[in-house]
Amino acid sequence: EAGVTQFPSHSVIEKGQTVTLRCDPISGHDNLYWYRRVMGKEIKFLLHFVKESKQDESGMPNNRFLAERTGGTYSTLKVQPAELEDSGVYFCASSQGFTGGNSPLHFGNGTRLTVT
Amino acid sequence: EDKVVQSPLSLVVHEGDTVTLNCSYEVTNFRSLLWYKQEKKAPTFLFMLTSSGIEKKSGRLSSILDKKELFSILNITATQTGDSAVYLCAPLYSGTYKYIFGTGTRLKVLA
Repeated sequence: EAGVTQFPSHSVIEKGQTVTLRCDPISGHDNLYWYRRVMGKEIKFLLHFVKESKQDESGMPNNRFLAERTGGTYSTLKVQPAELEDSGVYFCASSQGFTGGNSPLHFGNGTRLTVT
Repeated sequence: EDKVVQSPLSLVVHEGDTVTLNCSYEVTNFRSLLWYKQEKKAPTFLFMLTSSGIEKKSGRLSSILDKKELFSILNITATQTGDSAVYLCAPLYSGTYKYIFGTGTRLKVLA
């Protein structure tokens, strides 16, 4: 079974530019999560999709961040305009089941975003 | 506010030593807890714990949950250099089914 894939693996952009990160979850996984790790800190929750619906987006830092999951398959996370503090590693994870509470998260390798 | 504290923050041991990593949590509507190992990239799944007092084992690794005292431990016996990694715990907040991660314990095993 193919794992969770994220693209790109690394992105370097200037402050004020726009970046779009993509995540392809494991096929058949209804739950898709975005997390972010800023250097030296814990992996922080951003949001959770169940199929195409946003179950919880309480971790999204501000309205410069927009996540979509059209059709309930892959997801994109757009940052516009990017700021220096957005730098970090963005992880996507997926899990089976409607609620996600009974199965573990499977992580992608992450996208390292550097905003200069 | 939901909180997860892992200790120690980092640990250096020699091959063959046994280590115990701690995870304490304050999470409303707790449902389950996950342990992960993170080397260079994606965290890899180790254990899912849902019931108190039942030990889960996988080779030299084992883990147990105490829902009354709100903590979990991860044990690694006869450590090897390949065990060097950051170990993460993540309890599940079942209000909206999000996992909350601790900062991790960085383990380094010396040959």
